[in-house]
Amino acid sequence: EVLLVESGGGLVQPGGSLRLSCAASGFTFSNHWMTWVRQAPGKGLEWVANIKQDGSEKYYVDSVKGRFTIFRDNAHNSLYLQMNSLRVEDTALYYCARNGGAPEHWGQGTLVTVSS
Amino acid sequence: EILLTQSPGILSLSPGERATLSCRASQSVSSNLAWYQQKPGQAPRFLIYGASSRVTGIPDRFSGSGSGTDFTLTISRLEPEDFAVYYCHQYGSLPRTFGQGTKVEIK
Repeated sequence: EVLLVESGGGLVQPGGSLRLSCAASGFTFSNHWMTWVRQAPGKGLEWVANIKQDGSEKYYVDSVKGRFTIFRDNAHNSLYLQMNSLRVEDTALYYCARNGGAPEHWGQGTLVTVSS
Repeated sequence: EILLTQSPGILSLSPGERATLSCRASQSVSSNLAWYQQKPGQAPRFLIYGASSRVTGIPDRFSGSGSGTDFTLTISRLEPEDFAVYYCHQYGSLPRTFGQGTKVEIK
């Protein structure tokens, strides 16, 4: 069974940093693109970033470029999202997802709250 | 960036009725269009990929159609568990984008 478990969320002040983690199991992690998607409270889904199997390609939504970095550790079946210079508008539930073409398996999310 | 516009925003229907949800892209995504269902407090559930291919385990009352810029998700006969928010997602162009969602509510 595919299992994705996010962690690392919490309350942070504007301008602060957080690193999200996603532990993957039940499949060959190194064979799949991986994605981060977020959902602000009461709002819709927003694609954030994705990363190729070997980490050689990474893509971001414009609103996080230069502030967020997606990376992975295939030896430890883990996906990460380093978030710097956080803004109030980054407040959201952050999901990691395994890709086929589209995200097909999702974790339950980790909540990031940016507030002073 | 490709904008996906879903309509209607809210669809009020009764169990047993047919639901027709629309997703329109601002430029062609070919058939690189997926649909998700989301219930309160849950992660999205993958329903349809390639515009019309049903994910394994998804009931056949769910069907997708379309290509290019105009797509439709149809639920042939609504079951009580189908009342939820539905999102379309394009994965043909970067950045990937989602529609704003259609809420299917009980009338």
